[in-house]
Amino acid sequence: GAVVSQHPSRVICKSGTSVKIECRSLDFQATTMFWYRQFPKQSLMLMATSNEGSKATYEQGVEKDKFLINHASLTLSTLTVTSAHPEDSSFYICSARGLAGNGNLETQYFGPGTRLLVL
Amino acid sequence: RKEVEQDPGPFNVPEGATVAFNCTYSNSASQSFFWYRQDCRKEPKLLMSVYSSGNEDGRFTAQLNRASQYISLLIRDSKLSDSATYLCVVNGGAGSYQLTFGKGTKLSVIP
Repeated sequence: GAVVSQHPSRVICKSGTSVKIECRSLDFQATTMFWYRQFPKQSLMLMATSNEGSKATYEQGVEKDKFLINHASLTLSTLTVTSAHPEDSSFYICSARGLAGNGNLETQYFGPGTRLLVL
Repeated sequence: RKEVEQDPGPFNVPEGATVAFNCTYSNSASQSFFWYRQDCRKEPKLLMSVYSSGNEDGRFTAQLNRASQYISLLIRDSKLSDSATYLCVVNGGAGSYQLTFGKGTKLSVIP
């Protein structure tokens, strides 16, 4: 099946620092990548949608200047949490959509997620 | 009203039991429906898509009722490995690839 990787898998940082998370589609070209956040016992919440080569579209309530998304190629998207604070601690998951495996463009393949803890 | 609503459970069932999960969604424009499973502290993984005519994949059967905006998942002959949280997922409408997730229903299959 299609593989999406994320790096790092977990990160602990001090308040005020910036953290970059990478999301890669390893065996297919991702037309669109999505970034989600999941707090404990909550559902995945979509943060933003990014298409290769264009600006990301952010969901209501998500600060675009705080969560910088770059989707420079069809296989790589990055999310940078700038000036992270303890309330940003969460499980960040990316997904990629593209022609892979079953050839169904509706299928999103998820990365393994990144656990961020801001002290 | 929550966009995708599920009973959070937990459902604790013995091995071999049949268990059913239900889900309701509020967006009548949704066109695509899925069940994902999420293991503890892991990413969601697609279990199956849900089609209007209902579909089956081994021990798993999914049903969709568009009129009632209701989706179900039936698991027969439960295995210990079925223990996970099951997420009901719908898309945002025709041509939309954005997904909306329910909070999930937790299933524990006990020996």
